[in-house]
Amino acid sequence: NAGVTQTPKFRILKIGQSMTLQCTQDMNHNYMYWYRQDPGMGLKLIYYSVGAGITDKGEVPNGYNVSRSTTEDFPLRLELAAPSQTSVYFCASSTRLTGENGELFFGEGSRLTVL
Amino acid sequence: AQTVTQSQPEMSVQEAETVTLSCTYDTSESDYYLFWYKQPPSRQMILVIRQEAYKQQNATENRFSVNFQKAAKSFSLKISDSQLGDAAMYFCAYRTSTGNQFYFGTGTSLTVIP
Repeated sequence: NAGVTQTPKFRILKIGQSMTLQCTQDMNHNYMYWYRQDPGMGLKLIYYSVGAGITDKGEVPNGYNVSRSTTEDFPLRLELAAPSQTSVYFCASSTRLTGENGELFFGEGSRLTVL
Repeated sequence: AQTVTQSQPEMSVQEAETVTLSCTYDTSESDYYLFWYKQPPSRQMILVIRQEAYKQQNATENRFSVNFQKAAKSFSLKISDSQLGDAAMYFCAYRTSTGNQFYFGTGTSLTVIP
């Protein structure tokens, strides 16, 4: 199984540019999340989704947008990139029901630098 | 909102020795899930161990075990026979009973000394 796949793994943007981080999962998980991790820090939730067509803001949503048109895909859009958005971005997914597989499954991360 | 606290930003351990990483959390819920994740320099987030709050028995995965004290809201990770490959950032995480929110601690950086 591929699990959670993020693309691209690395990207350099100029200030003011826009881009989309792609995330797809093949585990039929209802819940999907976007986190950012600044150097030496923990994870901060940007947006999450509990199912197709449903998204909600996390702790640090400003400057980002998401959509969830299918169960599998949860892209993160950065509009008008700023140096403060330089970070490593993680997409993650989880099942709806808490049980033996209640954990988050993470993608490998996308390192974004805004210059 | 629930909070997860890891009070040890950095820890070190001699190879083959045992180390315990601390985690406390604040919640009013009675049912929830707790996790420890490992993040090596590759930055991949790897699940180390999970604990369901309704289970009294402490979870164990090979050299990794937890000390879950529900009343004290404490969830420490013990790594036995530490290996060089255990060097990483370790994050404690809490999952709500409703299932759609996860809360992470700020992490503990573990160094393993040969």
